[in-house]
Amino acid sequence: DSGVTQTPKHLITATGQRVTLRCSPRSGDLSVYWYQQSLDQGLQFLIQYYNGEERAKGNILERFSAQQFPDLHSELNLSSLELGDSALYFCASSPGERSSYEQYFGPGTRLTVT
Amino acid sequence: GQQVMQIPQYQHVQEGEDFTTYCNSSTTLSNIQWYKQRPGGHPVFLIQLVKSGEVKKQKRLTFQFGEAKKNSSLHITATQTTDVGTYFCAGPLYGKLTFGQGTILTVHP
Repeated sequence: DSGVTQTPKHLITATGQRVTLRCSPRSGDLSVYWYQQSLDQGLQFLIQYYNGEERAKGNILERFSAQQFPDLHSELNLSSLELGDSALYFCASSPGERSSYEQYFGPGTRLTVT
Repeated sequence: GQQVMQIPQYQHVQEGEDFTTYCNSSTTLSNIQWYKQRPGGHPVFLIQLVKSGEVKKQKRLTFQFGEAKKNSSLHITATQTTDVGTYFCAGPLYGKLTFGQGTILTVHP
């Protein structure tokens, strides 16, 4: 158990809909990262927040947005969903801001768009 | 484009055989990290290497960081069925931890 929690575990929704994925980092960690993992794309970095502020952005679509709240939990919002958005979404946390820190991953949310 | 390359993409071995996966970066890395993802699971941090030429061991796993800090390898001696999964290397590039595509290891009993 990494100490990172994610909800929900599974999500099935239709194209065009909007969903919110939630993540709570390990106790004491200030950075939260979001990744998308699909079968042929490996682990794609989406975005990083550190202590409530956006720190780094990866290949995140404009239809996707995220935020980190004062209690350090984070939410990833996916809107106007397309079939291609079906994937595993992982949240990870680390103690510091820099990308050189090791990251601890949550169990993931499996999103299926039908 | 992908800046951390990992080979091979797949490796099938018989239980007891050795296994090696290689990681190469287009630029010098401040450190290299290795993660393991079991089937149906999430990536789990294994180790971080920081120094040029560093070698670290964890039981049957040996991790190396190249002299130029651009490549790394993970070697597993005498694989077991519990070693199955995807092994990822990752390095900090341009402010982001960049993952290789991973090597999927299958171990046949």
